[in-house]
Amino acid sequence: DAKTTQPPSMDCAEGRAANLPCNHSTISGNEYVYWYRQIHSQGPQYIIHGLKNNETNEMASLIITEDRKSSTLILPHATLRDTAVYYCIVRALGNTPLVFGKGTRLSVIA
Amino acid sequence: DVKVTQSSRYLVKRTGEKVFLECVQDMDHENMFWYRQDPGLGLRLIYFSYDVKMKEKGDIPEGYSVSREKKERFSLILESASTNQTSMYLCASSLQGAARSDTQYFGPGTRLTVL
Repeated sequence: DAKTTQPPSMDCAEGRAANLPCNHSTISGNEYVYWYRQIHSQGPQYIIHGLKNNETNEMASLIITEDRKSSTLILPHATLRDTAVYYCIVRALGNTPLVFGKGTRLSVIA
Repeated sequence: DVKVTQSSRYLVKRTGEKVFLECVQDMDHENMFWYRQDPGLGLRLIYFSYDVKMKEKGDIPEGYSVSREKKERFSLILESASTNQTSMYLCASSLQGAARSDTQYFGPGTRLTVL
């Protein structure tokens, strides 16, 4: 079973920041938070991951609360091409497969 | 860039046929995975492999087998296809190692229809 809880859907206006929340209250000390997204009819795409510090890359920022029980993925300037299902996943390092939940369907609206 | 390719985007087979789904990655990754994705059920892990000739069952291995004869290639086999195996099949690969955080890279998927 997925160890995360996400809202089923969200809307965001084009050009605005999209903030996608994720609850992972049972996360263990050795587990990372990963974010993937899946655009319709494509395979999932890796976005970002982190342990306890905030992380930023060319796609997004990841904000993890101090107690690590929740996190937020931020797309700073959402475009129509960011419309996708976004998955928040917690897993330990090493040879452990990803366990996908149902994710959040983000719709970016012009 | 990592590239994971799957042999077909769309495939139509008949009940009882033996079906081979091929996956190839070009980044020398040790780990490879097969998932299926169905509406309302999300992605579910079928089998995975950490090395050549090694395989591990995932959450739903029944009705499937796999083959990993070469590091870059991971095949999913439906011994006798059934209509409930109609699904989107996704292959992924990743580097191995507990000392570093790793990410999985996915192929484009194969949409299999069993009639």
